[in-house]
Amino acid sequence: DAGVTQSPTHLIKTRGQHVTLRCSPISGHKSVSWYQQVLGQGPQFIFQYYEKEERGRGNFPDRFSARQFPNYSSELNVNALLLGDSALYLCASSYRVVTEAFFGQGTRLTVV
Amino acid sequence: EDQVTQSPEALRLQEGESSSLNCSYTVSGLRGLFWYRQDPGKGPEFLFTLYSAGEEKEKERLKATLTKKESFLHITAPKPEDSATYLCAVPTGSGNTGKLIFGQGTTLQVKP
Repeated sequence: DAGVTQSPTHLIKTRGQHVTLRCSPISGHKSVSWYQQVLGQGPQFIFQYYEKEERGRGNFPDRFSARQFPNYSSELNVNALLLGDSALYLCASSYRVVTEAFFGQGTRLTVV
Repeated sequence: EDQVTQSPEALRLQEGESSSLNCSYTVSGLRGLFWYRQDPGKGPEFLFTLYSAGEEKEKERLKATLTKKESFLHITAPKPEDSATYLCAVPTGSGNTGKLIFGQGTTLQVKP
């Protein structure tokens, strides 16, 4: 079975631009979460969606937004990119809201 | 405030030299503790879930244990391929969200 898939794997953007990251969860999983990981730190929670409803939002500015589609795939959008947004963005899927989460390979975003 | 702290930050072992990694947590009402392995530039790979004090889980050379305040990941006779960053995480917030708080990780290097 396919695991969590994310696209693209790598991305280079200029300050002020907008970016959309995509995630397809494991088949049968209804929850998708997004995390940001900078080098040397553990992942930081951005959003969780379950059954297309937002179930949690981390301490990130309003420039970050997300949504979940009827097929349970998800998008993370970041507007007005800053240099500090450069990080590995991770998507995780789980069967229920609170259970072990399975991560994709991540999208490496570099803002120049 | 809910918190997860891992120690040591880095650990260098000789092949076959057993050791333990520590994950201390402070959370209101533990709803599980998760261990992950992360290779450089990749997403975290799920290893174990522990739910209650006294519980143990094993997989190959790894054994995870849980007390009321901390969890240990014991590595027995490690091999170079066990080199990775090991992360622990706990769910936080209300029962309606699966937000995970991660420790900063322990980077393990096993030398042949």
